[in-house]
Amino acid sequence: KAGVTQTPRYLIKTRGQQVTLSCSPISGHRSVSWYQQTPGQGLQFLFEYFSETQRNKGNFPGRFSGRQFSNSRSEMNVSTLELGDSALYLCASSQTGLQGNTIYFGEGSWLTVV
Amino acid sequence: GESVGLHLPTLSVQEGDNSIINCAYSNSASDYFIWYKQESGKGPQFIIDIRSNMDKRQGQRVTVLLNKTVKHLSLQIAATQPGDSAVYFCAEIIPTGYSSASKIIFGSGTRLSIRP
Repeated sequence: KAGVTQTPRYLIKTRGQQVTLSCSPISGHRSVSWYQQTPGQGLQFLFEYFSETQRNKGNFPGRFSGRQFSNSRSEMNVSTLELGDSALYLCASSQTGLQGNTIYFGEGSWLTVV
Repeated sequence: GESVGLHLPTLSVQEGDNSIINCAYSNSASDYFIWYKQESGKGPQFIIDIRSNMDKRQGQRVTVLLNKTVKHLSLQIAATQPGDSAVYFCAEIIPTGYSSASKIIFGSGTRLSIRP
């Protein structure tokens, strides 16, 4: 069974640009959640999607958005990139959500904003 | 890839000894807890979980202890091996009151270093 797949693995963007990251969950998993990981702030929850609906959201500005498709694949978008957005962005999937389910992470997308 | 844990507390353990990694969680409403292991350049890997109605759970070479009175979680690794070198995170899941929706908060992480 394939794990959580994230693309691209590495990317470099310029301040002010926007970026879209993609995540394919484990087959049969309907919940996809996104996280930002930085040395200074650690691992922080961005949002969770289930059945194409955003079910929960962390404390990030509106520049961070996401969506989920009918096949459970998900994308997250960051608009008007800032230097501080440089981070490892992790996607995770689980069968029905964060509660009581094993949450499996992908390898992440390394974003560098210059 | 880069390291995402440049300034983490480090626990140095002799190979073969037991390791104990501690975590203080923040919310008394948290009802599910998970420990993750993250190796350099990789995503977090599930190790073990525990629900709030339990105070101990054992896996293969790992034990998680939960003390709800002081909001403390610990991960014990028996007979630590070189392959256990990684950053370890705890996570707490907090129900938000909406159907099936929860928040997840991660601890800052501890780097486990194994001495030969």
